[in-house]
Amino acid sequence: GIQVEQSPPDLILQEGANSTLRCNFSDSVNNLQWFHQNPWGQLINLFYIPSGTKQNGRLSATTVATERYSLLYISSSQTTDSGVYFCAVERNDRGSTLGRLYFGRGTQLTVWP
Amino acid sequence: DVKVTQSSRYLVKRTGEKVFLECVQDMDHENMFWYRQDPGLGLRLIYFSYDVKMKEKGDIPEGYSVSREKKERFSLILESASTNQTSMYLCASSTHTSGNEQFFGPGTRLTVL
Repeated sequence: GIQVEQSPPDLILQEGANSTLRCNFSDSVNNLQWFHQNPWGQLINLFYIPSGTKQNGRLSATTVATERYSLLYISSSQTTDSGVYFCAVERNDRGSTLGRLYFGRGTQLTVWP
Repeated sequence: DVKVTQSSRYLVKRTGEKVFLECVQDMDHENMFWYRQDPGLGLRLIYFSYDVKMKEKGDIPEGYSVSREKKERFSLILESASTNQTSMYLCASSTHTSGNEQFFGPGTRLTVL
């Protein structure tokens, strides 16, 4: 498979603070996605970002595929940002199964009012 | 809007019962996936399917089987449920070509007593 490592494993912030979550991966990838798992367990798609930079409101993400990492930025955090953030990648391998994602262990974010 | 639905949010079964978890997607996606999520272990792939009647084992297929008789529906079957199959089960789908975004259902929390 492919190794996906996320850091930090836990992050505690006060409302209004900014944060950066990191995802390192061990091989070249076709796809990289960031998800937020809500309190009910559903994975919400944040970004589909195999390379480059994207922004969506207070969230933005950058993937540097050549250096095998991605960053998720959360600015002016709110209590509703709390939850687990997952990074997942699809390995770039012609012989591999199409679309299969490998997940990191996640970053547990807690935002206090 | 993209939609993946799962038959139950919460399910309680007894040891030895046969359990069916159903997943339906309305996006005409070729690929469908079943994951389980456990604390400290992240998401692990059980089975996936890239076409009707096709299936491939993931990382932890033991104790499970799957069925894909129609393109939109992917069923996970626990032939004889055991307590170590108590977990959160997540279904996902994506288009056939690699490098495409994967979308998740709301999840089923299964408890086996």
